[in-house]
Amino acid sequence: GIQVEQSPPDLILQEGANSTLRCNFSDSVNNLQWFHQNPWGQLINLFYIPSGTKQNGRLSATTVATERYSLLYISSSQTTDSGVYFCARINNNDMRFGAGTRLTVKP
Amino acid sequence: EADIYQTPRYLVIGTGKKITLECSQTMGHDKMYWYQQDPGMELHLIHYSYGVNSTEKGDLSSESTVSRIRTEHFPLTLESARPSHTSQYLCASSEGQPGEQFFGPGTRLTVL
Repeated sequence: GIQVEQSPPDLILQEGANSTLRCNFSDSVNNLQWFHQNPWGQLINLFYIPSGTKQNGRLSATTVATERYSLLYISSSQTTDSGVYFCARINNNDMRFGAGTRLTVKP
Repeated sequence: EADIYQTPRYLVIGTGKKITLECSQTMGHDKMYWYQQDPGMELHLIHYSYGVNSTEKGDLSSESTVSRIRTEHFPLTLESARPSHTSQYLCASSEGQPGEQFFGPGTRLTVL
């Protein structure tokens, strides 16, 4: 079946550190999204990124669709970055989520 | 402000009760979705709709049902809740093909 794999599953950082989260997907995609789920369960849209690179403040994302992966970069991490980061691949109306990366940023 | 709303945010009910989880969006999107998420786990699609009077089942089997009588409204109903239905339910909407999905705040359901 269709696979969306995220790594690492867990990540603990000291405030100020940089990190890279990876998302591999097993089939071709029309598009890919990155989300941050906060402690209250709300999914916040980070990036909608079919290919190339996008940046938003301290966050940036790169998708290489031909090689079936996407990367999320977090620079100068803050405690408010803690939570679970999900990638989801989209084909037509079929959206499949990865299992997430649980990020803890310590002060 | 265009947004997507879910009510209630939290619900604790007894086994056998009928419940309806509400989802409304003011973004004018034609597509709407329901996902189920157990704590700490990935989201699974349980229902989706392309527009009014359109409903389809997702990849995760669910005993719930949905309706789409109005574009902005996509309620989910459980006729007889059971403890196995305890989970978080997230509603989303999108526009275009493929469209970026936007999520509501979720309903955390506990069935005793």
